[in-house]
Amino acid sequence: DQQVKQNSPSLSVQEGRISILNCDYTNSMFDYFLWYKKYPAEGPTFLISISSIKDKNEDGRFTVFLNKSAKHLSLHIVPSQPGDSAVYFCAASLTGKLIFGQGTTLQVKP
Amino acid sequence: GAGVSQSPRYKVAKRGQDVALRCDPISGHVSLFWYQQALGQGPEFLTYFQNEAQLDKSGLPSDRFFAERPEGSVSTLKIQRTQQEDSAVYLCASSLMSSAGRGDTIYFGEGSWLTVV
Repeated sequence: DQQVKQNSPSLSVQEGRISILNCDYTNSMFDYFLWYKKYPAEGPTFLISISSIKDKNEDGRFTVFLNKSAKHLSLHIVPSQPGDSAVYFCAASLTGKLIFGQGTTLQVKP
Repeated sequence: GAGVSQSPRYKVAKRGQDVALRCDPISGHVSLFWYQQALGQGPEFLTYFQNEAQLDKSGLPSDRFFAERPEGSVSTLKIQRTQQEDSAVYLCASSLMSSAGRGDTIYFGEGSWLTVV
């Protein structure tokens, strides 16, 4: 069973607009939620995280929102830039390991 | 080196062949993780070491998969009698922390791409 799900395989956004990537989870015991960015032929790199006791965390153009009642989190990128084009993975931390979603490919068009 | 180093970067194995994938973590990092990423999927946890101790191997898909980290630094993931479904990218990650923690302290290598033909 998939404990972390990203239901949108891809997203296309115009440069300068907002990108919203979504993630759903099933296990209420997760203590941290994270977003990783991955370019082709590279390993995932950490982007931003949020503790399960918070509902928002912001870092520059990136903001993560957590809705615990809905078991849903989202990543907002404002404004989107062509260099943001990559695969974005949502992940959750549990008992010392990370559980990843399937990923969403973001394309930001100039 | 400055980052997590994995070798080989690419490996083509014939079905039934044994393979060994190597991971050099960042110097001094306590934790080491192995993940398997199939095409179009997210990374899936395989196993976790804290120094030389393998604390969690719940993600290893079968007894054909074996991992070791004998001196608490370099780790090797071995796959015996490879099968086509083993084709994937194998990612190694290391952390200074004793667990995944908040995740922001985990650094991933570029992965070893295994194709079984």
